[in-house]
Amino acid sequence: LAKTTQPISMDSYEGQEVNITCSHNNIATNDYITWYQQFPSQGPRFIIQGYKTKVTNEVASLFIPADRKSSTLSLPRVSLSDTAVYYCLVGDAGPSNDYKLSFGAGTTVTVRA
Amino acid sequence: DAGITQSPRHKVTETGTPVTLRCHQTENHRYMYWYRQDPGHGLRLIHYSYGVKDTDKGEVSDGYSVSRSKTEDFLLTLESATSSQTSVYFCAISEFAGGPTGELFFGEGSRLTVL
Repeated sequence: LAKTTQPISMDSYEGQEVNITCSHNNIATNDYITWYQQFPSQGPRFIIQGYKTKVTNEVASLFIPADRKSSTLSLPRVSLSDTAVYYCLVGDAGPSNDYKLSFGAGTTVTVRA
Repeated sequence: DAGITQSPRHKVTETGTPVTLRCHQTENHRYMYWYRQDPGHGLRLIHYSYGVKDTDKGEVSDGYSVSRSKTEDFLLTLESATSSQTSVYFCAISEFAGGPTGELFFGEGSRLTVL
């Protein structure tokens, strides 16, 4: 499994842009990069996924450089409700078509008024 | 929301007793997972299943066993619960293995306290 490294915590204020960078130096050719968001007392939920370059949806943008050894999740104009833990995952199906991912500790983003 | 039900949602038990957590899905997804979440550790994979009767270990499988006798149910068993297994347990499902269609859908969690 490709190992990921991301900051433990980040603080921001309402209306600001939050960028969380994840390092994944040993990413494999077939691996995709996926981000999940988790609110207190809930299970994680999918935010965005990409393979290379840039992906944007209604929630966030994901920037992936050409070497794919890192990725940056960008949350535009955050609000208090964006306070959550954000997880970066890298992986794809294994040789036996199994598929297992571990989430790590994630990045706790705290948005203040 | 994906149809995932975990039971029980809360349980308090004593050290040495057996405990079974159940994950039930109505999505007919092939892949099912059990994670545990502890402060400072994020979510760690315990066991997963890639089909009926097909299961494998995750990174923290010691002290846990699983069974999947039908597509919709994935059971996690603690044969003899210990205090170190006090945690919040999440079940997840996915239709495909990874890639652009491998999105994980999570249940609401089961909080287990072992006294």
